[in-house]
Amino acid sequence: GAGVSQSPSNKVTEKGKDVELRCDPISGHTALYWYRQRLGQGLEFLIYFQGNSAPDKSGLPSDRFSAERTGESVSTLTIQRTQQEDSAVYLCASSLGRNPLAEQFFGPGTRLTVL
Amino acid sequence: QKEVEQDPGPLSVPEGAIVSLNCTYSNSAFQYFMWYRQYSRKGPELLMYTYSSGNKEDGRFTAQVDKSSKYISLFIRDSQPSDSATYLCAMSLTGNNRKLIWGLGTSLAVNP
Repeated sequence: GAGVSQSPSNKVTEKGKDVELRCDPISGHTALYWYRQRLGQGLEFLIYFQGNSAPDKSGLPSDRFSAERTGESVSTLTIQRTQQEDSAVYLCASSLGRNPLAEQFFGPGTRLTVL
Repeated sequence: QKEVEQDPGPLSVPEGAIVSLNCTYSNSAFQYFMWYRQYSRKGPELLMYTYSSGNKEDGRFTAQVDKSSKYISLFIRDSQPSDSATYLCAMSLTGNNRKLIWGLGTSLAVNP
């Protein structure tokens, strides 16, 4: 079956521009996570969606970052007024059910470069 | 000092070798320990999960947790070229993916 997919795989943008990253989770997975993986740093949790519950936005680094998810399907992560420090690989993961430690299945990531 | 320390390597071994990958941590309250494998240009995938102390074995992989030393290890027996990847440790106080603290990863190359 299909895994988690993300698009685009690579994105180069200029400082100050807005970018939108997309994640298609595994069908039936109610939980969806966004992470950031910067060079020389461990994965950083950004935001979590679980079904129709209010998202956990506690990991978003600034108000330039936002994310949406429609029901239990596609999610988009938007970064406004990009900065060079936003350059990273953005990873999406999904998991089945409400267990907060359920196995996460990661997508291949979007590599964002801000010039 | 970072909460989780992991030597980035790279580690290069011949095929068939036993590989030892390690992480140290500073928070003695960590209870949940995970090892992920990440191939180039792919997302991490869960390899092993251990709660509290002890060993866990799955095929060629063994995970060990030594809470007294605040040290965790992943052993790979009979290493294969297909094991070439970056290995990430992750751990948390509570059983919650959102609270995982991740290591930087160790890059492993298994040479045929």
